[in-house]
Amino acid sequence: EVQLVESGGGLVQPGGSLRLSCSASGFTFSSYGMHWVRQAPGKGLEYVSAITTNGDYTYYADSVKGRFTVSRDNSKNTLFLQMSSLRAEDTAVYYCVKCSSSSCFRGADYWGQGTLVTVSS
Amino acid sequence: QSALTQPPSVSGSPGQSVTISCTGTSSDVGSSNRVSWYQQPPGTAPKLMIYEVYNRPSGVPDRFSGSKSGNTASLTISGLQAEDEADYYCSSHRVSGTYVFGTGTKVTVL
Repeated sequence: EVQLVESGGGLVQPGGSLRLSCSASGFTFSSYGMHWVRQAPGKGLEYVSAITTNGDYTYYADSVKGRFTVSRDNSKNTLFLQMSSLRAEDTAVYYCVKCSSSSCFRGADYWGQGTLVTVSS
Repeated sequence: QSALTQPPSVSGSPGQSVTISCTGTSSDVGSSNRVSWYQQPPGTAPKLMIYEVYNRPSGVPDRFSGSKSGNTASLTISGLQAEDEADYYCSSHRVSGTYVFGTGTKVTVL
């Protein structure tokens, strides 16, 4: 059974940092592209970041470029999102998302339960 | 990075059909068949319902169907059921190599 379990969310002050982790199981982690998608309270979905199977290509939404860094450790089946210079508008549930293949051309077939990041003083 | 345009809400009675549109540009929806649809019931994570415009993952009822014409993709739910009440999002790959979601549509079963 595929499982994606996010951790690391919480309350942080503006300008602070947070590192999200996503522990993956039930599939060959190194064979699949992964994304981070967020959803602000009462709002729609937003692609935040993506990483290829071996980490050689990463993508960032303009809203987080230069502040967030995505990485993965295929030996530990774990995806990370390092977030810095956090702003109030980064407040959202962050989902760890598995692509259906090495890319998300065929959609994202598994989503974690999400971890809430709240940026507030 | 503008979101794809969806109607805020659609509604229908049980058994009826509803269609949700997803309008983009020639740089995303119109550029390929890499369009997906997700269902998100309240308080839950999204679920993949359609990929590559019209393909259904295993386990998704055939009441859900997808299509595309030009820069607009569509999701049709036939034989609407109470359990279909949820938010629905389209998603498209862009020629730039990135992805974009639609603005989301709330489906209400009357």
